[in-house]
Amino acid sequence: GQSLEQPSEVTAVEGAIVQINCTYQTSGFYGLSWYQQHDGGAPTFLSYNALDGLEETGRFSSFLSRSDSYGYLLLQELQMKDSASYFCAVLRDNKLIFGAGTRLAVHP
Amino acid sequence: ETGVTQSPTHLIKTRGQQVTLRCSSQSGHNTVSWYQQALGQGPQFIFQYYREEENGRGNFPPRFSGLQFPNYSSELNVNALELDDSALYLCASSLDSGAGETQYFGPGTRLLVL
Repeated sequence: GQSLEQPSEVTAVEGAIVQINCTYQTSGFYGLSWYQQHDGGAPTFLSYNALDGLEETGRFSSFLSRSDSYGYLLLQELQMKDSASYFCAVLRDNKLIFGAGTRLAVHP
Repeated sequence: ETGVTQSPTHLIKTRGQQVTLRCSSQSGHNTVSWYQQALGQGPQFIFQYYREEENGRGNFPPRFSGLQFPNYSSELNVNALELDDSALYLCASSLDSGAGETQYFGPGTRLLVL
């Protein structure tokens, strides 16, 4: 089967750094994506790793290691507006397979 | 803003009824995918359309069907509604159906089945 595991909740303070891990049990996928979703909103694309290694986009970075079946999203200089759910997703056969999401709460 | 719109925003139906949800993709995007998101869960892939043809389907029964039109709009139809169909329905458009294409999500339609 295909499954992605993420922590259900993470809590951090403003200005801190947080890492959200994603482990997966699937093969033959094209890449690992990360999406952000605020309550009541639509998932918003954050990053995509087609190859192993680190991708950096501003305060957000994403990492993929296919040999370890593992990836993570790193959020730096946390802001209150970063409080949201974060989903990892693998792209396989043109469809996105999502994890259950990690709810990030940022406190002052 | 992703340029992807959906209608209606909210909908209440009763069990056994039929519903049609609509999506308008970004201009030029030939691919639209539909997802179902239950409360507290990640989106689940329903199906994808590329240039008006179905291009992949998830683990959903045949009472979930779709259409894509040449004007970059699409529909998701659900027949014989069940209580478990209550969810947020998302459409996502992408430029093409190739690997690595970023999918841009609409705001969703929240369906409640009573």
